[in-house]
Amino acid sequence: DAGVTQSPTHLIKTRGQQVTLRCSPKSGHDTVSWYQQALGQGPQFIFQYYEEEERQRGNFPDRFSGHQFPNYSSELNVNALLLGDSALYLCASSFYRRGNTEAFFGQGTRLTVV
Amino acid sequence: QQQVKQSPQSLIVQKGGIPIINCAYENTAFDYFPWYQQFPGKGPALLIAIRPDVSEKKEGRFTISFNKSAKQFSLHIMDSQPGDSATYFCAASIAGKLIFGQGTTLQVKP
Repeated sequence: DAGVTQSPTHLIKTRGQQVTLRCSPKSGHDTVSWYQQALGQGPQFIFQYYEEEERQRGNFPDRFSGHQFPNYSSELNVNALLLGDSALYLCASSFYRRGNTEAFFGQGTRLTVV
Repeated sequence: QQQVKQSPQSLIVQKGGIPIINCAYENTAFDYFPWYQQFPGKGPALLIAIRPDVSEKKEGRFTISFNKSAKQFSLHIMDSQPGDSATYFCAASIAGKLIFGQGTTLQVKP
């Protein structure tokens, strides 16, 4: 049983560019949440997708957007990259009917903005 | 009110010791409290979790103690091993949105 998979694992982008990160949830899960983890900090909630709609959103600007596909996989898009967007981006999947408890994380995508 | 405060920031114990990590929250709407373990370069891994109607939960060497009236919960690691050296995060959840503590870096010396 494959767990949560994210791609790519590492990425280097230039300020002002746009980036797309991808996530495939754990088998049987239908909800995907995205988190940003700065070095030495706890993960910060970006948003959550269920049934292809954004259900909850954290305190992140509109430059951060997402999408969920019919197969439950998801993308995180960040426009107009800033140096401060450099972080580990984590995807977590869960099952809606269990109240989205037991969230399982992928290994993350390390984004470096130069 | 959405914060989760975690302490200590770092912890060093000898092999076999019992490290204790503490967390506190304010929002009584939180309905699920998981603990995650994270190794360098990896994503957080779910260790153990508890709901607010339970005061204690044990899974293997890991125990959560939960004090609803004080709005505090803690993780105890029994018979700690060098392989337990990692960063530990407590979290609190509302409808699957996780609010994380700042993390505790644990070092278990052989």
